[in-house]
Amino acid sequence: DQQVKQNSPSLSVQEGRISILNCDYTNSMFDYFLWYKKYPAEGPTFLISISSIKDKNEDGRFTVFLNKSAKHLSLHIVPSQPGDSAVYFCAAPLNTNAGKSTFGDGTTLTVKP
Amino acid sequence: EPEVTQTPSHQVTQMGQEVILRCVPISNHLYFYWYRQILGQKVEFLVSFYNNEISEKSEIFDDQFSVERPDGSNFTLKIRSTKLEDSAMYFCASSDIVGGYTFGSGTRLTVV
Repeated sequence: DQQVKQNSPSLSVQEGRISILNCDYTNSMFDYFLWYKKYPAEGPTFLISISSIKDKNEDGRFTVFLNKSAKHLSLHIVPSQPGDSAVYFCAAPLNTNAGKSTFGDGTTLTVKP
Repeated sequence: EPEVTQTPSHQVTQMGQEVILRCVPISNHLYFYWYRQILGQKVEFLVSFYNNEISEKSEIFDDQFSVERPDGSNFTLKIRSTKLEDSAMYFCASSDIVGGYTFGSGTRLTVV
């Protein structure tokens, strides 16, 4: 049972434009979501998180939106830069004590110069 | 910035051999994890460790796997008798009580 889904395996955008990466979840018990970025041959790095008490969290060029009724979250990167090209994973821990996280399959973002 | 360190970066082993993957988590973190990613597949949870014991493990983490925190700084994953399908990138991670994980850069395990 895949509780966190990223339905787009890849996304290609032009430098300077907006990148929108989507994630859907099925478990309404999730109350905290995280986005990770992963370059080849490196471990994932934490990017941004959002608690279910919010519908938006912003950090520089990165904004995560949460729509609890739709069980959907999205990561917006504006403006996109070539260095943003990586695999992006959304993840949800089963509790706010940062226990086991369930990861989506990832979306490979390519930002073209 | 504090980081999680994993050694070795690449381990090649013969099928049936034991391997130990080593990790040094961030010193003030309380939760420790092992994840793996088979080439081309998703990142999969293996085990979480808190207060010197396993707090949760996945169905992948069978009797061939074990974890240990022998000295308060290292966190190890042992695979007793490796199989070809154990070939993957193994990521160690640690977290404080409310933050996101900090992952290590991974150990590539190749079983031949």
